[in-house]
Amino acid sequence: DIQLTQSPSFLSASVGDRVTITCRASQDISSYLAWYQEKAGKAPNLLIYLASTLQTGVPSRFSGSGSGTEFTLTISSLQAEDFATYYCHQHNSYPLTFGGGTKVEIK
Amino acid sequence: EVQLVESGGGLVQPGGSLRLSCAASGFTSSDHTMDWVRQGPGKGLEWVGRSGNKGDGYNTEYAASVRGRFTISRDVSKNSLYLQMNSLKSEDTAVYYCARGPVRGTRRPLDHWGQGTLVTVSS
Repeated sequence: DIQLTQSPSFLSASVGDRVTITCRASQDISSYLAWYQEKAGKAPNLLIYLASTLQTGVPSRFSGSGSGTEFTLTISSLQAEDFATYYCHQHNSYPLTFGGGTKVEIK
Repeated sequence: EVQLVESGGGLVQPGGSLRLSCAASGFTSSDHTMDWVRQGPGKGLEWVGRSGNKGDGYNTEYAASVRGRFTISRDVSKNSLYLQMNSLKSEDTAVYYCARGPVRGTRRPLDHWGQGTLVTVSS
């Protein structure tokens, strides 16, 4: 199985900060990496797919990069509505897997 | 508008069974793979399994933790997806989400999710 390791698992930041979350895959997954945002009590929302493609309707302050085994999600200027938990997800091979999550909280 | 609505969750005793349903609307679900993903209390997301699309004969894949106990099926006429869960264990307690996967020939991730249904396995 492909393991996805996210770091950090928790981060505290202020509105306006630039935030970067890293996801490392245990094997080469090419660019089959997605990022989701999850808010309490709600279903995950797709932000980025194919490592760097912004899903329709997602603000441009979100961006993704990477390929192979190293990926990053960047929020260029954190907004109040961005405080949430973020998950990376590989859909290169079965079983599909998710990272452990990164909780972004208000400093 | 794409909508996925899960139902069928509830309290069940260890060793028991439960069948979840997912009603899809706003798109033709047979064109897409359809997945189940769960989230245990205070935990992260865990992929449960997938039903392929009509192009691959609705082939199924499962996580090792549920293989042999859970079965995914579809009713194309009702645009619905099901998850039959047998021999339930306490560790199966979770919110279960239905999610839409890619159409045949594309390599997209799960792009729409339902609101989830809670399954609690406890005596």
